[in-house]
Amino acid sequence: QKEVEQDPGPLSVPEGAIVSLNCTYSNSAFQYFMWYRQYSRKGPELLMYTYSSGNKEDGRFTAQVDKSSKYISLFIRDSQPSDSATYLCASNSGNTPLVFGKGTRLSVIA
Amino acid sequence: DGGITQSPKYLFRKEGQNVTLSCEQNLNHDAMYWYRQDPGQGLRLIYYSQIVNDFQKGDIAEGYSVSREKKESFPLTVTSAQKNPTAFYLCASSRETGPGANVLTFGAGSRLTVL
Repeated sequence: QKEVEQDPGPLSVPEGAIVSLNCTYSNSAFQYFMWYRQYSRKGPELLMYTYSSGNKEDGRFTAQVDKSSKYISLFIRDSQPSDSATYLCASNSGNTPLVFGKGTRLSVIA
Repeated sequence: DGGITQSPKYLFRKEGQNVTLSCEQNLNHDAMYWYRQDPGQGLRLIYYSQIVNDFQKGDIAEGYSVSREKKESFPLTVTSAQKNPTAFYLCASSRETGPGANVLTFGAGSRLTVL
């Protein structure tokens, strides 16, 4: 079993929809959780960073971590065509390299 | 502006040839990484280095080699032993300690195609 599992999609939503992207992880030692956004043919860029459990909000984006169920979520409110990208979840225990999910490709249709 | 520079952006290679991808950072980060990205596979770790003159194998190191002679530079050589080298290669760096440790900053990537 891969340490971080993510449904690759693709996911297609209309503009203005609420998007929910999810990952699960298997390593109980994981403490740091990140979401990266990657536009086509570009390098990933950090979108959200969370330590341990809880929620973190930044504008239209909310990251949620539930360590009891080993579940990581990213919510995008009022989605825009510019949000169309691949979203990668990643996690580690702090002293090991980040482990990435496969990424979910999102298309927001105007 | 601080960042990571990868070159070349596109590279074509004949089978049997070695090729070296360049990665330079001016972020003063201690750690540097090489990932390979294939469609539907996500990012897979090739090699990483947490300090100058030291590096560790990642999940898919076979057919690749690296060096870390300077803090700013972490070149990746794709050797002829790599069976399927056509891919998008991403270099990244991070702090080892302090605020933002373990958060990766990525370069723009290098796309290698074997003809």
